[in-house]
Amino acid sequence: GENVEQHPSTLSVQEGDSAVIKCTYSDSASNYFPWYKQELGKGPQLIIDIRSNVGEKKDQRIAVTLNKTAKHFSLHITETQPEDSAVYFCAASFGGYQKVTFGTGTKLQVIP
Amino acid sequence: SAVISQKPSRDICQRGTSLTIQCQVDSQVTMMFWYRQQPGQSLTLIATANQGSEATYESGFVIDKFPISRPNLTFSTLTVSNMSPEDSSIYLCSVEGGSGTYEQYFGPGTRLTVT
Repeated sequence: GENVEQHPSTLSVQEGDSAVIKCTYSDSASNYFPWYKQELGKGPQLIIDIRSNVGEKKDQRIAVTLNKTAKHFSLHITETQPEDSAVYFCAASFGGYQKVTFGTGTKLQVIP
Repeated sequence: SAVISQKPSRDICQRGTSLTIQCQVDSQVTMMFWYRQQPGQSLTLIATANQGSEATYESGFVIDKFPISRPNLTFSTLTVSNMSPEDSSIYLCSVEGGSGTYEQYFGPGTRLTVT
């Protein structure tokens, strides 16, 4: 089955700096890669996603890049703010009504 | 995106008892999913629930321990049976975003502590 590795497990940045979280996946058949933000005491919130036919996607301060050949994808957050502090999960699936496999999570702390 | 609610939001239960968690969605969805998130850990899929058919369980999860109902297109329940402290986790339901989409949206979770 699919295996998703995520790094780093914790990340501290100064407010205004950029944060990058990296993931790798094992199954070349995976074609959908969502990113979730989970704040303390809440369920995961979908913040951005990318399909395998796209190399990069951006939404305001967040962007995701995908390298299908290397089976890598990354989340980039620019101009970080304290409210970006949360646990971020990457994930991979075959798309459609298919099982989503999650990475191990990255706890991001933005220091004011 | 769908609005998903779960009941209860949290509970403390005695070893050996069972708890049923409810998941309600504000729109009709084909697929509903149940996940477990152990303290400080990632999410693990327990089972996929389609309306009108038996739930499909992932490796390591069995129907006798986690029976699931899916009586209609907006509602599902997950029961955690014969609980032990190892069942202490957050239980989350999620739904697919709709026909032609790949997204999954999550409910707020049920925080279960077994003593």
